Amino acid sequence: QSVLTQPPSVSAAPGQKVTISCSGIRSNIGNNYVSWYQQFPGTAPKVLIYDSNRRPSDIPDRFSGSQSGTSATLAITGLQTGDEAYYYCGTWDTSLNGGVFGGGTKLTVL
Amino acid sequence: QVTLRESGPALVKPTQTLTLTCSFSGFSLSTNKMFVSWIRQPPGKALEWLARIGGDDYKYYSTSLKTRLAISKDTSKNQVVLTMAYMDPVDTATYYCARNYYESSATGFYMDAWGRGTTVTVSS
Repeated sequence: QSVLTQPPSVSAAPGQKVTISCSGIRSNIGNNYVSWYQQFPGTAPKVLIYDSNRRPSDIPDRFSGSQSGTSATLAITGLQTGDEAYYYCGTWDTSLNGGVFGGGTKLTVL
Repeated sequence: QVTLRESGPALVKPTQTLTLTCSFSGFSLSTNKMFVSWIRQPPGKALEWLARIGGDDYKYYSTSLKTRLAISKDTSKNQVVLTMAYMDPVDTATYYCARNYYESSATGFYMDAWGRGTTVTVSS
């Protein structure tokens, strides 16, 4: 049972936009920045978004993040078949004094 | 270039203690801006954060696994070691080490570089 809640799966057609939600509580998302990771089967996760909405220099601006209250959202525009992967949100939990992740969302590009 | 590499046994028996080593390059753990976390992922399941150590040598542990985990560092060797006691088949997973880099005091917790992971199977 993951601390953060994500939908198990989302899907959309190529070229469309999809959003993935991540829900928490005050001690985690409510008080700390969220990061998002992309993971292809058999490989390590890679950071897409950190500090809620910042992108590493090698991540295209098709990927964006937002955060409000105890929830966060990852948006992907101009979907490509190569975006099919698992996506995880993560943050720090001030009460647990440790890192926490969501259960992961499988993105299918139809 | 920041790199991390995990090493350790591929197979451990139940009740044994697992020892994993994270060897890294491209940064130093001697500053208070750098930390190394361990994360694991059971087959087909989600990521689970385990522990973290930083330049200040302060250690953080998963609440649910705290009694079984120990994390340490060797700054001169650029290594972080994680031990997990009383291994059980449910601990079968790929174990990753990753860097947490606090660019500024306003930076949040995130993993900006990951190792490839090492797969550990717990079986008699």
